[in-house]
Amino acid sequence: QVQLQQWGAGLLKASETLSLTCAVYGGSFSGYYWSWIRQPPGKGLEWIGEINHSGSSNYNPSLKSRVTILVDTSKNQFSLKLRSVTAADTAVYYCASMSLDNWFDPWGQGTLVTVSS
Amino acid sequence: QSVLTQPPSASGTPGQRVTISCSGGSSNIGSNTVNWYRQLPGTAPKLLIYSNTQRPSGVPDRFSGSKSGTSASLAISGLQSEDEADYYCAAWDDSLNGVLFGGGTKLTVL
Repeated sequence: QVQLQQWGAGLLKASETLSLTCAVYGGSFSGYYWSWIRQPPGKGLEWIGEINHSGSSNYNPSLKSRVTILVDTSKNQFSLKLRSVTAADTAVYYCASMSLDNWFDPWGQGTLVTVSS
Repeated sequence: QSVLTQPPSASGTPGQRVTISCSGGSSNIGSNTVNWYRQLPGTAPKLLIYSNTQRPSGVPDRFSGSKSGTSASLAISGLQSEDEADYYCAAWDDSLNGVLFGGGTKLTVL
């Protein structure tokens, strides 16, 4: 039973870099895509991007210029960096495992990241 | 950015059957499978239906999914108070080369 646990800084100032890490427990790290998804307060879900165990990544075009997703197979972890954040990046950020048929299961517990100006 | 269109709200009384629609286009629902997620207040979304019609283990058969052309639907029968939640559809989009989510539907059990 795969479980995801995520952590990272919850309060940032505008122009700083958001940094989150997600650890994968209890399952195979290969054979899946590892994803990040965010949800602004009171709003819907937005896919940020994904990476596989070999480091092949894919990003949402709307965020591509500011996003980097990395994988550390030695620790079964993957991470998200979002540069030059603004108040519009305030959201709950989730990590999730994405199957080859593109469904997300399971999800991490979520991290609220607040960007102050 | 959402191009998967869901009604913002839906409601029903206990025991009723409700359906939530998800409308897309040829680059997403029309050519890829649809997945549904349920999000209880203050919690992470959870997979409810995958590959249009499949239920993960532990999901009651009161929940069912269907897809036709560029639209999909989630049906909940025997509505229960604990079904109050936000429901999201999602599908891979070939133009985006990524996953698109619907805007979400807030289900209220009256």
